[in-house]
Amino acid sequence: SQKIEQNSEALNIQEGKTATLTCNYTNYSPAYLQWYRQDPGRGPVFLLLIRENEKEKRKERLKVTFDTTLKQSLFHITASQPADSATYLCALPAGGFKTIFGAGTRLFVKA
Amino acid sequence: DTGVSQDPRHKITKRGQNVTFRCDPISEHNRLYWYRQTLGQGPEFLTYFQNEAQLEKSRLLSDRFSAERPKGSFSTLEIQRTEQGDSAMYLCASSLSGADTGELFFGEGSRLTVL
Repeated sequence: SQKIEQNSEALNIQEGKTATLTCNYTNYSPAYLQWYRQDPGRGPVFLLLIRENEKEKRKERLKVTFDTTLKQSLFHITASQPADSATYLCALPAGGFKTIFGAGTRLFVKA
Repeated sequence: DTGVSQDPRHKITKRGQNVTFRCDPISEHNRLYWYRQTLGQGPEFLTYFQNEAQLEKSRLLSDRFSAERPKGSFSTLEIQRTEQGDSAMYLCASSLSGADTGELFFGEGSRLTVL
């Protein structure tokens, strides 16, 4: 079955550094991949979509890469700020109208 | 538009009771989804509506769960004879068919605690 893996360990980084989060998937060839941000007790908020024919996508301080051979996406936040502290979820269309989500990686940015 | 609204935000109930959650999607969105999320996990798909038609249901949705979207606007999710394992955050999301990014707009969720 389709499976998404994100690093379950929290990522702690210093303000100003680049945070890099990983999303790996198996048994699947998605047409696109999405990243969402989720704050504690809140619903996820969409950040970016990258399609299978795109290698890289940028939005402000965010950069996403998509390697369909490795079945992996990397999510980068440059010049990180304490306000970037949240859980980041990787999501894929799973056939039909369903989107499946990874468990997320918790990011802590220290001032 | 204020986004996707869910009510109640928190619900504490005793095992065996029935609970109902309501979701008001973004008004022009014809697609509506219910997800369930437990601590440390990502949202798990439960069901999907296009307008008033329920087009997809997860195997997670046992027969104690029922969802409706009677007029293609708001939706309700009812859980009958609640069990402690039903404790979770129930998230509603909406989207517009044909939208370029496939973005799901989530509400703030309804947190259920079954004692």
